[in-house]
Amino acid sequence: DQQVKQNSPSLSVQEGRISILNCDYTNSMFDYFLWYKKYPAEGPTFLISISSIKDKNEDGRFTVFLNKSAKHLSLHIVPSQPGDSAVYFCAASATADKLIFGTGTRLQVFP
Amino acid sequence: DVKVTQSSRYLVKRTGEKVFLECVQDMDHENMFWYRQDPGLGLRLIYFSYDVKMKEKGDIPEGYSVSREKKERFSLILESASTNQTSMYLCASSFPERRTYEQYFGPGTRLTVT
Repeated sequence: DQQVKQNSPSLSVQEGRISILNCDYTNSMFDYFLWYKKYPAEGPTFLISISSIKDKNEDGRFTVFLNKSAKHLSLHIVPSQPGDSAVYFCAASATADKLIFGTGTRLQVFP
Repeated sequence: DVKVTQSSRYLVKRTGEKVFLECVQDMDHENMFWYRQDPGLGLRLIYFSYDVKMKEKGDIPEGYSVSREKKERFSLILESASTNQTSMYLCASSFPERRTYEQYFGPGTRLTVT
């Protein structure tokens, strides 16, 4: 039972354009959502998060949007840079103790 | 800065061997976690610990055990390694009182069982 789903395993975007990564969830008890970025041979690093009481959170080039009625969140990266090429995981939590991760989306930003 | 370290970056073991993966965090975090990452499956929780000597099963605990004798150290044990345990193993820690939900990850251990 996959409670957090990232249906696109990969995404290719030209440098300077917008990257949009999507994530769907099924559990309406989730109240906090996070995005992590992972380079090969490294651990995931926290990128940005959003509480369920908000519908948007912005941090520099990164914006996360939350649509609770659709149980959908998305990460926008504008403008995309080659250094953004990585695997992106969304995660959700109903408690402060456990995160449920999606399967990841590999983003490739080409010149 | 939070630092989570793992004892090995790469490990090769034979089927049937007992394997110890060690994780240490330096931020006095109560919670510690062990995940494995496999292509197409994301990060799956193996075990986690709320406090010293406390442990809870995650989603895929079969074939694994854990030990937390000190707050800063969380060990993952493969009692008898099998080829289907070849994977990237990631340790993480968090500070629940902050209620930011953020977990801090170590660099990972790539384990190959032959």
